[in-house]
Order: sequence, then structure tokens, then C-alpha cells
Amino acid sequence: QSALTQPASVSGSPGQSITISCTGTSSDVGSYNLVSWYQQHPGKAPKLMIYEGSKRPSGVSNRFSGSKSGNTASLTISGLQAEDEADYYCCSYAGSSWVFGGGTKLTVL
Amino acid sequence: QLQLQESGSGLVKPSQTLSLTCAVSGGSISSGGYSWSWIRQPPGKGLEWIGYIYHSGSTYYNPSLKSRVTISVDRSKNQFSLKLSSVTAADTAVYYCARVQSTIYAFDIWGQGTMVTVSS
Repeated sequence: QSALTQPASVSGSPGQSITISCTGTSSDVGSYNLVSWYQQHPGKAPKLMIYEGSKRPSGVSNRFSGSKSGNTASLTISGLQAEDEADYYCCSYAGSSWVFGGGTKLTVL
Repeated sequence: QLQLQESGSGLVKPSQTLSLTCAVSGGSISSGGYSWSWIRQPPGKGLEWIGYIYHSGSTYYNPSLKSRVTISVDRSKNQFSLKLSSVTAADTAVYYCARVQSTIYAFDIWGQGTMVTVSS
């Protein structure tokens, strides 16, 4: 059970859009439409932002969107705001277990 | 609003057993449709899923930790627990408890986390 692969860092200016990729295998991301994304600010617990690949929990801004193609899932944040600066983790169900990505640090320039 | 709160020893000696408890408030741990999980995060590193216990009592663990992990539920106290045996410095991390919504297979509610250091 290897960690999902995410870029270590991404950056963007306020108002721009960024996309974070998350690559897994046919045993996790590719087999299930059950990828979730979490936002984590320093010293805080992770917060669920996207579930089932593209659905937003109540209260999460519609600037956050998710998609999946094959073994790769993606998180897109549009209209970047300063408050979006955080670490982002993808996670995939893998059949009675879960696997996380290594995390991506988003810097808002 | 359901809340989770971790508690336990913040310092554990190498080779001993790490024990943590997650208290559930604002709802019942026996509610159908939910599972209860432990996740950890070493300092400066990413998240690692440890395991979970289904409301029926069935448990599932990360294969890399399976031989050392036990997750259990105490319904009378509305809490669940983690035991990790034979700890080493590599087990030093912030430990989070989280609720899993079984219909969406995502961790929708998290505790604040508790730091556990393994050191003599």
C-alpha cells in the first residue's frame, strides 16, 4: 500500500486558479470513485473539502472542485484567496483501507 | 454538532505501548452508518491512516502497522481507543481520531489531534 503521489508544492496569485494532481494505482484511485481531499492549516486538524472525487460538503466554497481520470485525481481551486494557503492531501479508499497522498503545500503569492 | 477529543499519554518509552482514547460527544458512537478511525502525522510529514473500527465492531488496519495495532470501542463511555505496541521513535506523531461516513468513505469529522513522543 504505497502513498498516493502529489506535487510537493504549488503556487498561484490571488484570483488565479491552481490544480493539484494525485496519482495512485488501479488498486485505489483507479478502482473507486472514492477520492477525498483535505485542507490543513498549520497546527490544525485536516478539513474535508471534497468527497467521492467531486462532491463538496455543506459549507465548502464552490471555488473548490475535484475530478478524476483513470488513476489520477485532481483538485482545482479557482479564484485563489490568501486563506487558501495551506497543505492539501488527497486520500483514496482502497478496499477496507485508505491511503493518503504525501501532501501539497499551496502558497498564495 | 458531533465532536471528537483525543486523550492519552504524550510521552511513551521505546518498546512500550502507546494508548490513546477518543471521546465522542454530541452523538452516539453506536449510530449506524459510521466508522471510527485513527490517523497520524509525524512532525513535518504527511498523513498516515492507521485503522478503523466499524459500528459493528469489525476492525481493519493498515497492513504496515497491523501486527502492532488494536482499535476498540467502549460503547458505555461513548469512546474508542488505539493501542500501538512496541513503539519506536518512528511512531512519534500527532495522532488524530476521525469519523468515517460509511456512505461516502471520507473522514468528515476530526479531533484536534494529540502529540505523542516516543523517547526514553
